Amino acid sequence: AAGVIQSPRHLIKEKRETATLKCYPIPRHDTVYWYQQGPGQDPQFLISFYEKMQSDKGSIPDRFSAQQFSDYHSELNMSSLELGDSALYFCASSLGQGSYEQYFGPGTRLTVT
Amino acid sequence: GESVGLHLPTLSVQEGDNSIINCAYSNSASDYFIWYKQESGKGPQFIIDIRSNMDKRQGQRVTVLLNKTVKHLSLQIAATQPGDSAVYFCAENLDDKIIFGKGTRLHILP
Repeated sequence: AAGVIQSPRHLIKEKRETATLKCYPIPRHDTVYWYQQGPGQDPQFLISFYEKMQSDKGSIPDRFSAQQFSDYHSELNMSSLELGDSALYFCASSLGQGSYEQYFGPGTRLTVT
Repeated sequence: GESVGLHLPTLSVQEGDNSIINCAYSNSASDYFIWYKQESGKGPQFIIDIRSNMDKRQGQRVTVLLNKTVKHLSLQIAATQPGDSAVYFCAENLDDKIIFGKGTRLHILP
């Protein structure tokens, strides 16, 4: 069965650079969620989209922005990268809002040097 | 603040024994809980879930118990295998967001 696809899987950037992470949800899923997991930490909710509109926002820095496109894929844009942004970034998708089941992708490991 | 959490950061279990991973939550209004398994370098993988109108749910080799009185849930893994080695998170779905607890790393001893 098709799963959530994230690209790239690994990304190395320098401080103050920008990064773009992409997420392709499971086919027919219209809701996308982004989570950040720091080293040894639990995943933290960043932002979510339903039908191309932002549906909720968590602890996402102002330097980050995201959007969902007409094909339901989503991109997380990160600017003025800081060392503390080094983390695993997971995307999850679900069918419809308020669906209890979220399916997680394999994550993008971002390293900021 | 955090809504869910786990008691132990690590748990070591002999291969073949049963594993019990515990979790406490603070929000009495929470109505849906999920256990995730996360292997190194991978995303959280759904194991089993339970709604607040139940106190027990069984899957293949896993059982989740929910005690709403003391706001506690547990994950039981029967006949633990080397492939069960991972970090286990209890979580709740709150307003369409997954709120994760701190995670317990399960070590399997040969």
